[in-house]
Formats: sequence, C-alpha cells, structure tokens
Amino acid sequence: NAGVTQTPKFRILKIGQSMTLQCTQDMNHNYMYWYRQDPGMGLKLIYYSVGAGITDKGEVPNGYNVSRSTTEDFPLRLELAAPSQTSVYFCASSYSPDQQTMNTEAFFGQGTRLTVV
Amino acid sequence: AQSVTQPDIHITVSEGASLELRCNYSYGATPYLFWYVQSPGQGLQLLLKYFSGDTLVQGIKGFEAEFKRSQSSFNLRKPSVHWSDAAEYFCAVGAWSGNTPLVFGKGTRLSVIA
Repeated sequence: NAGVTQTPKFRILKIGQSMTLQCTQDMNHNYMYWYRQDPGMGLKLIYYSVGAGITDKGEVPNGYNVSRSTTEDFPLRLELAAPSQTSVYFCASSYSPDQQTMNTEAFFGQGTRLTVV
Repeated sequence: AQSVTQPDIHITVSEGASLELRCNYSYGATPYLFWYVQSPGQGLQLLLKYFSGDTLVQGIKGFEAEFKRSQSSFNLRKPSVHWSDAAEYFCAVGAWSGNTPLVFGKGTRLSVIA
C-alpha cells in the first residue's frame, strides 16, 4: 500500500527554471493538498482540490499552478523558480469530510526538498 | 473559514516529565481535529483525531487529547515524555461542510532533555 507518493525527494533549481513536483495517491481520496513548510512557519496551503477537475487557491498560491485531471494525481508546477520558493513541499490526500464514516484524516507524502539558487 | 493557533513555538521538557501542548481553534460549528507529529526530515504522522463523541481521545505513542468546546481547545498531553518524543507537533482543524481545506497551526517544537 503506497499511500501518497511524491517525486522527486530533492531538487536544486536555478532561478527562472521551471519544474513539476509530482504527487500520486492510491487510496481513492477525493481531497488533495499541496503545502509548503518553511522553518518556524508551519504548513502553508498552496493549492487544494476537492475532486478531479476542481482546484482552488490556498494561502500562498502565487508562483505555482496545479491541475487535477485524475483522482490519483495532483502535480504542482513552478513556472519561474525564485529563491523565495526554496522550501519543503508536502502533498497530502484525504476523503471528503463525512460524519457518517468519520474517515477524514489526511495522509502525507514524504516531502520534496527544493532549493532555488 | 476555520483557523488554528498553537501558542507555544518551542517547549523543552525533561525526560519523564509530563507534557501539554496547546491548540486553540476558531470555527463556527463543531470541527474535526487532529494532532500530527513530524520527526526531523520526515513527513507528518497522525497521532490522534477527534470527530465527535467522547471528548478525550487516545492516540498512538501514549498521547491523548481533550476537546473542550467551551474553550475552543484541543490540547495534547502525555504523562511521561520519552527522549524519542522530540519532534514538531502540529494541530489541524477541518470543517464538516463547505469543501474547505484542512488548516494547520504553525507547530510546536518539542525538545526533551535528560
């Protein structure tokens, strides 16, 4: 049972380069999230999706784009990398909140450590 | 939208001492609540969760948390801390309706000294 898989684990980008952080989950979750984590700042939500074809901005969406063409995949795109995007990125997924099943916790990937130089 | 505050950025406790990490949330209705732990260089692992019912919930690794609606709190406790509990702890709050995302606090870093 793979859970949430993020690739790559580490990446160094030059300023202005672009890249896609991959995230896939095999739990048939309809909610998926991208967070960034900076030292002492907790987890900040970048984008989230409540189902295939539906995405919405979180707290810090500038400089990022997402798509959700399938239930399983939720890639995060950086178009023009900037040093401010140096961070650890976490993808997570969950079922939608359901008071009947109470099965709503988020599962996290292991993270992608990105450095922009 | 819901929000969550963890007032303590860093806490240091002695091994064997008791621990309480604070979490306060803001939400108009009854939320669901989580505590996650993150060891250095790792992802987040679920410690425990509250959805409804009994307000004292038990989790893994000997942790427990109590939901207090009147105080809008969900504090994490452990009676005797082990050196391996040193980590970052995150409280998170979710809403049952509205397609709103899970919101995390800024975390509390726990250091354990001998």
